[in-house]
Formats: sequence, structure tokens, C-alpha cells
Amino acid sequence: KAGVTQTPRYLIKTRGQQVTLSCSPISGHRSVSWYQQTPGQGLQFLFEYFSETQRNKGNFPGRFSGRQFSNSRSEMNVSTLELGDSALYLCASSLEGLALSRNEQFFGPGTRLTVL
Amino acid sequence: GQNIDQPTEMTATEGAIVQINCTYQTSGFNGLFWYQQHAGEAPTFLSYNVLDGLEEKGRFSSFLSRSKGYSYLLLKELQMKDSASYLCAVSGGSYIPTFGRGTSLIVHP
Repeated sequence: KAGVTQTPRYLIKTRGQQVTLSCSPISGHRSVSWYQQTPGQGLQFLFEYFSETQRNKGNFPGRFSGRQFSNSRSEMNVSTLELGDSALYLCASSLEGLALSRNEQFFGPGTRLTVL
Repeated sequence: GQNIDQPTEMTATEGAIVQINCTYQTSGFNGLFWYQQHAGEAPTFLSYNVLDGLEEKGRFSSFLSRSKGYSYLLLKELQMKDSASYLCAVSGGSYIPTFGRGTSLIVHP
């Protein structure tokens, strides 16, 4: 079974630009969650999508948005990039979502975003 | 608010046992997870506890005390490949996971 894939793996942007990241979950998984990981803040939850609907949202500004398609693939968009958005963006897929106890998440390799 | 504390770094010797502690204060509780993350790689799931007590899985065990807001991950028979960051994460009342900053474990010969 193929794992979670994320594209692109590396990205360099400048302040003010926007960026779209993509995540393909494990086949059969309906939930995709997105996380931001930085040395200073650690791993922080951005949002979760389940069956094309946003189920939960973390404490991030509206510049961060996402969506999920009918095949469960998900995209995350960050508009008006700031220097502080430089981070590793991870997505994780699970069978039935975060609200199901003991529901293991499988993480993708991440997209390393650098904002100059 | 949500707060999760774990030591920043620990060192141990190959073959030894190490215990990584995690204390948490969260609004609501729906379980506690431990993840392992090697440098430059994605986190991988290690364990999940929702009831008090010890869960054993091979060389790794995880303990939870909900009344004390406390968990630990126990690694036995340490191997060099266990050198990694260990993340404690709590699923809060709305099932949003909150992660600790991670404990960097260095295993030396």
C-alpha cells in the first residue's frame, strides 16, 4: 500500500506570494490533517478535512486555507506569505478521522517551504 | 488553554532503559499519542493511551495517569536507531491534537 505523498517536497517563495501544497492520502483513508512544524513552535495543527468538509481548524490566520477533493486528495493554500511561514508542512491521513479514538495517523514526508 | 511539557533532550546508553515523561494540561481529553520522528523524516505513530495504565508494544511501553495529567514512554534495550525526537500529543476536547515540543533522545554506544 502506498504511503502518504506530498508535493512539492521543497519550495522557495518570496514575501507576499501565495503557495499551494498537495497531499495524497493512503488509499481508502478519508481524513487528511495538515500541520506546521517549526523549531520554535514544534508541530501545530492547521486543519482537518473529512469527506470534503473541514472538520476542525487550529489557531492560524485566515491566510491559511485548504480543501479536499472527492478522491480524498487535499490541498493547502497560504496567501500573502510572511517570513514566519517558513516551515515544514506535514499532512497526515487516517481512516476515519481524528474524532475516532485510537485512530492512527500516517504522516507524509512534508513540504519544506522557505519564504525569502 | 493547552499545555504539554516534555524534556528537551535526553541521552542514554545503548542497551539501557530510558523513560521520557510528558505532563499535560488540556481542556478535554480524548487520548494521548506518542510519535517518533527521525531527523528529516515524518513522525511515525508509536502508541495511544486513553485509559489509565500501561500499554506495552515490544520494546516500547506507554503509561498514562489521567488524574495526574501525566504520561511516559519507556524504551527498553535501547538501540542506536532509537536516536530520534519523541513527540507527546494530546487529543483535546474537540479532538484537535496538541503536540509537545518533542524530546530529542541521543543514544550513544
